[in-house]
Amino acid sequence: GAVVSQHPSRVICKSGTSVKIECRSLDFQATTMFWYRQFPKQSLMLMATSNEGSKATYEQGVEKDKFLINHASLTLSTLTVTSAHPEDSSFYICSAPSGGKQETQYFGPGTRLLVL
Amino acid sequence: AQSVTQLDSQVPVFEEAPVELRCNYSSSVSVYLFWYVQYPNQGLQLLLKYLSGSTLVKGINGFEAEFNKSQTSFHLRKPSVHISDTAEYFCAVSDHGDSSYKLIFGSGTRLLVRP
Repeated sequence: GAVVSQHPSRVICKSGTSVKIECRSLDFQATTMFWYRQFPKQSLMLMATSNEGSKATYEQGVEKDKFLINHASLTLSTLTVTSAHPEDSSFYICSAPSGGKQETQYFGPGTRLLVL
Repeated sequence: AQSVTQLDSQVPVFEEAPVELRCNYSSSVSVYLFWYVQYPNQGLQLLLKYLSGSTLVKGINGFEAEFNKSQTSFHLRKPSVHISDTAEYFCAVSDHGDSSYKLIFGSGTRLLVRP
């Protein structure tokens, strides 16, 4: 199947700093990628849809100025958590659709963010 | 609006016993259905999917699921589980006609396999 990578896998930062998370599709091109957030023992919450060559589409309640998304190429999307605070600590997962009709999502391994 | 319900938050089962994880969805349109597995501190791995055709779908690791349109269900089954199957399982749905291919996830079911 299609492979999606994320970097870094874990990051610890101080409150007030910004953190960038990369999501790459390794063996296919992705004009669309998705960013999710997962709290402990909970399901995935879709934050935004990253679109190559255009602005990201954010879900209701997600601050676009805090969670900056850039889809730089057909294989790379980045999520920057700006001015991070402890409540931003979470597991961030990206995915990209592939398959014959682009209907199947392939997920990255996730990035654990801890804000002190 | 679409939604996915996984009624069981946790399912304990003994090793080599059969298991069924339940998933029901609500949607007014045709859907694609998926089961994903998540091991601790990892991303999601696709177990199986239903797009069209045969309602019985076979996936990896010996899992299978059956799409039942009348009951709007897509339950996951395995005839004999292993300790290594202990993980979180998510059912998800997407709309046939949604070109964004957004996934709506259920709340997840933790499968706990005991020796």
